Amino acid sequence: GQQVMQIPQYQHVQEGEDFTTYCNSSTTLSNIQWYKQRPGGHPVFLIQLVKSGEVKKQKRLTFQFGEAKKNSSLHITATQTTDVGTYFCAGSGAGSYQLTFGKGTKLSVIP
Amino acid sequence: EAGVAQSPRYKIIEKRQSVAFWCNPISGHATLYWYQQILGQGPKLLIQFQNNGVVDDSQLPKDRFSAERLKGVDSTLKIQPAKLEDSAVYLCASSEQGNTIYFGEGSWLTVV
Repeated sequence: GQQVMQIPQYQHVQEGEDFTTYCNSSTTLSNIQWYKQRPGGHPVFLIQLVKSGEVKKQKRLTFQFGEAKKNSSLHITATQTTDVGTYFCAGSGAGSYQLTFGKGTKLSVIP
Repeated sequence: EAGVAQSPRYKIIEKRQSVAFWCNPISGHATLYWYQQILGQGPKLLIQFQNNGVVDDSQLPKDRFSAERLKGVDSTLKIQPAKLEDSAVYLCASSEQGNTIYFGEGSWLTVV
């Protein structure tokens, strides 16, 4: 079955440093979504990427979808303490609405 | 707009007991999901409903887990009998077909 892998599993950064998490799928994806889960909270949708090579920005967050539609990344510029949480990517295969989640990258920001 | 409602928020049971979780999706959302999230892992889809029909239950342990969505709105997820490894957060989510998934706050289950 479809597998989605994320690295790193954990990342500790000093406030103001940049952060990147990477997502790789074993199969070609029709789309990829990113979610943020604060400690003790539930996943909250951030963005969906659909097109090959797509890049989207949300303030300090930049999302990329690979040309082969098998990988994606989330980059945060100048992290803040409010960025703390676990970031999940989730992908859907062609013709399927089922989302497969990665294990997430837990971000800690040291003030 | 009201979000996805779940209850109970927390439940502690002994192994071999049963438990039921309830979910009320966002109004108008035809698709309802139950996910299991074990500590330190990503959510794993247990079952997906489209209205009151099951779209995908391939990862549902059917010997102990059951779910229904009789009128195409609310849903119930039941575990009987519970095992220690069922300790997890059970997340209900809903979406308009093919669009953003909105999660509820989850039902935290501890099996002792």
